[in-house]
Amino acid sequence: QKEVEQNSGPLSVPEGAIASLNCTYSDRGSQSFFWYRQYSGKSPELIMSIYSNGDKEDGRFTAQLNKASQYVSLLIRDSQPSDSATYLCAVNIRFYGGSQGNLIFGKGTKLSVKP
Amino acid sequence: DTAVSQTPKYLVTQMGNDKSIKCEQNLGHDTMYWYKQDSKKFLKIMFSYNNKELIINETVPNRFSPKSPDKAHLNLHINSLELGDSAVYFCASSQAGGWSDTQYFGPGTRLTVL
Repeated sequence: QKEVEQNSGPLSVPEGAIASLNCTYSDRGSQSFFWYRQYSGKSPELIMSIYSNGDKEDGRFTAQLNKASQYVSLLIRDSQPSDSATYLCAVNIRFYGGSQGNLIFGKGTKLSVKP
Repeated sequence: DTAVSQTPKYLVTQMGNDKSIKCEQNLGHDTMYWYKQDSKKFLKIMFSYNNKELIINETVPNRFSPKSPDKAHLNLHINSLELGDSAVYFCASSQAGGWSDTQYFGPGTRLTVL
């Protein structure tokens, strides 16, 4: 059973702090990793994608990937109340014998940024 | 312009009924997906589909069936609805369904089975 694990939270940080979100995955063959943000009652929207070991920065967001440890993380610098949402880690895998990749999602980490 | 759209937004129905949810994407993508998000917010893939291949999550009951009249549409038909089918259903699409493709999600359809 291929799995993606995240701490469900809630993770509470003060405004301006760094929020650190973590994710582990079970399939060593996974090639691509995504962080989605989902506001309550809304659909998931892509924040970051990462494919190679190391860090990838985009504005206040940094994704980190360590394939040897099967670990991916998302750092949010200078957290804002508008960052309060559920963050979903997703891993692309070859699924049920199909030739195309599909996404397996973690259960999400709920982030609350306090003013 | 809405990239991925779904109708209806809300669907309330009785157990045993048959219902459909429609999905359309205007992104020119080749691959479309259906996901189910349960009350605990766990988002789980049900199907992925392009012109060549339908991938079915083996845990999905055969009461659920995707139907695609063309590559811009992937509708979800559900027969003999059960209480446990109550959830939010999201449609998504990606360029080619490759391992690096970004998936874009529709707004979701909240299904309530009474």
